[in-house]
Amino acid sequence: KAGVTQTPRYLIKTRGQQVTLSCSPISGHRSVSWYQQTPGQGLQFLFEYFSETQRNKGNFPGRFSGRQFSNSRSEMNVSTLELGDSALYLCASSLTSGVGNEQFFGPGTRLTVL
Amino acid sequence: AQTVTQSQPEMSVQEAETVTLSCTYDTSESDYYLFWYKQPPSRQMILVIRQEAYKQQNATENRFSVNFQKAAKSFSLKISDSQLGDAAMYFCAYNTGTASKLTFGTGTRLQVTL
Repeated sequence: KAGVTQTPRYLIKTRGQQVTLSCSPISGHRSVSWYQQTPGQGLQFLFEYFSETQRNKGNFPGRFSGRQFSNSRSEMNVSTLELGDSALYLCASSLTSGVGNEQFFGPGTRLTVL
Repeated sequence: AQTVTQSQPEMSVQEAETVTLSCTYDTSESDYYLFWYKQPPSRQMILVIRQEAYKQQNATENRFSVNFQKAAKSFSLKISDSQLGDAAMYFCAYNTGTASKLTFGTGTRLQVTL
């Protein structure tokens, strides 16, 4: 069974631009969560989508948004990029949403904002 | 707010020896899960072990085991017979509620020496 895939793996953008990252979950998984990983703030939860609905949202500004499609693939968008948005963005999928579910992580997208 | 604390930024162990990584958490919830995730240099997060708060028995997975002290809110990871492939960042994480959100600690970098 194929794992979680994320595209692109690397991305370089300039301040003020917007970016869209994609995540394809493991086949049959309906929940996708997104995390931001930086040296300063560590791993922080962005949001979770389950059955095309946002289940939970972390403490990030409205510039960060996401969506999930009927095939469970998810995208996250960051508008008006800032230098501080440079990070590794990880997505994780699980069969369903809820406490205790094992989450499988993708390899991440490394975003660099210049 | 739930917090997860890993007080050891770095640890070192010799091959074939045993090492224990510490994790404490703060919560007022009664139903929750705790996890240890491993992130090798390749950056792909891998679940090492999972513990449900209601289960008194400590979880084990081959060479990995936990010491779960619920009253003390402590969740340490013991790696026995350490191998070079165990070298990685180890993150302790917490999950509660109805969604899949993971709250992570700051991580412990484990070095394995010959």
